[in-house]
Amino acid sequence: EAGVTQFPSHSVIEKGQTVTLRCDPISGHDNLYWYRRVMGKEIKFLLHFVKESKQDESGMPNNRFLAERTGGTYSTLKVQPAELEDSGVYFCASSQERGLAGARDTQYFGPGTRLTVL
Amino acid sequence: DAKTTQPNSMESNEEEPVHLPCNHSTISGTDYIHWYRQLPSQGPEYVIHGLTSNVNNRMASLAIAEDRKSSTLILHRATLRDAAVYYCILTAYNFNKFYFGSGTKLNVKP
Repeated sequence: EAGVTQFPSHSVIEKGQTVTLRCDPISGHDNLYWYRRVMGKEIKFLLHFVKESKQDESGMPNNRFLAERTGGTYSTLKVQPAELEDSGVYFCASSQERGLAGARDTQYFGPGTRLTVL
Repeated sequence: DAKTTQPNSMESNEEEPVHLPCNHSTISGTDYIHWYRQLPSQGPEYVIHGLTSNVNNRMASLAIAEDRKSSTLILHRATLRDAAVYYCILTAYNFNKFYFGSGTKLNVKP
């Protein structure tokens, strides 16, 4: 079974440019999460999709970040325009269960996309 | 957000047991306790989880205090590959997002 994949593995862009990160969850997983770790900080939750719907986007830092999950399969996270403080590693995770079962469910993480904004 | 407290770092010798503690004094009755680890340059990886009873799997054991205010991840025989940052995470009913703290960086000496 293929795990969570993320593309690209590394992206270097100039401040003010746009970058789109992609995440392919494990097939059949309705839940998809985005997290990020910025330099020297802890891994922070960004948002949670259930199928194509945003269940929780309380962690999105500002309106420069746009996440989509059309068709409930892969997801994209667009940063436009990118700022220096957006540099970090962006992780995607997926899981299967919801509700109380979701609380005990395993989240499977991708390897992350390292974003560098110059 | 249910908070967890872990030591910043721990050290172990290879092939010896390791006990990684976690305090979660504000845990709610339906919160699950998860442990994940992150190897260098990789995404977090599931280790084990539990609710009230102690749990064992092929990777580790999880010992949960009777009052559930603390738990301990037990690696029975540490290997060099177990060197990683270990995170203790609580999840609540219908709030599946993970709150990662700073974790415990485990160093395993040969």
